[in-house]
Amino acid sequence: AQSVSQHNHHVILSEAASLELGCNYSYGGTVNLFWYVQYPGQHLQLLLKYFSGDPLVKGIKGFEAEFIKSKFSFNLRKPSVQWSDTAEYFCAVNLIKAAGNKLTFGGGTRVLVKP
Amino acid sequence: DTGVSQNPRHKITKRGQNVTFRCDPISEHNRLYWYRQTLGQGPEFLTYFQNEAQLEKSRLLSDRFSAERPKGSFSTLEIQRTEQGDSAMYLCASSLDLQTGELFFGEGSRLTVL
Repeated sequence: AQSVSQHNHHVILSEAASLELGCNYSYGGTVNLFWYVQYPGQHLQLLLKYFSGDPLVKGIKGFEAEFIKSKFSFNLRKPSVQWSDTAEYFCAVNLIKAAGNKLTFGGGTRVLVKP
Repeated sequence: DTGVSQNPRHKITKRGQNVTFRCDPISEHNRLYWYRQTLGQGPEFLTYFQNEAQLEKSRLLSDRFSAERPKGSFSTLEIQRTEQGDSAMYLCASSLDLQTGELFFGEGSRLTVL
């Protein structure tokens, strides 16, 4: 079955530390890849997306992600986190040939940044 | 605010009662999606519409669940004879009909079944 795995359920780090969140997917076809963020009490918002081209994509708020096709991975990174990055982060995938742009989400990683 | 709007934001009901949630998508978006999110999990796909046509339903959507989008604008999700296992956040999202279209999510409707 198609699935998206996020390796860490919880991450705790201090301000200015670097962040990397892992995401692997198990689709056989060509995919679009997304990272969404959910700040406390807010709706899911898009951080960044990969459709084609340069596998290193930059998103909002200093986040970036690298698509490694051979590893079926799309890891999210930020060199120096801030307290305001405390949130839950979701990796999501859709199959390009599938109808409807339906997204399949990973289980999420809850990130707590200590001031 | 021109984002995706959902209401009610919170609903507490007793087991066996029916509940209905409404979603108003971004106005020019012709695709509308329903997802369910339980604590500690990522959103799980339930169903989606292209205009007024319901094109796909997940196996998660039991016979007690029904969704409509009568005029291709707002949508409703009804749960009949609610069970405690239905307690979750119900998320609505909308998108343009593009291969690369991102989904825009509402704030969700939280259901608690007592």
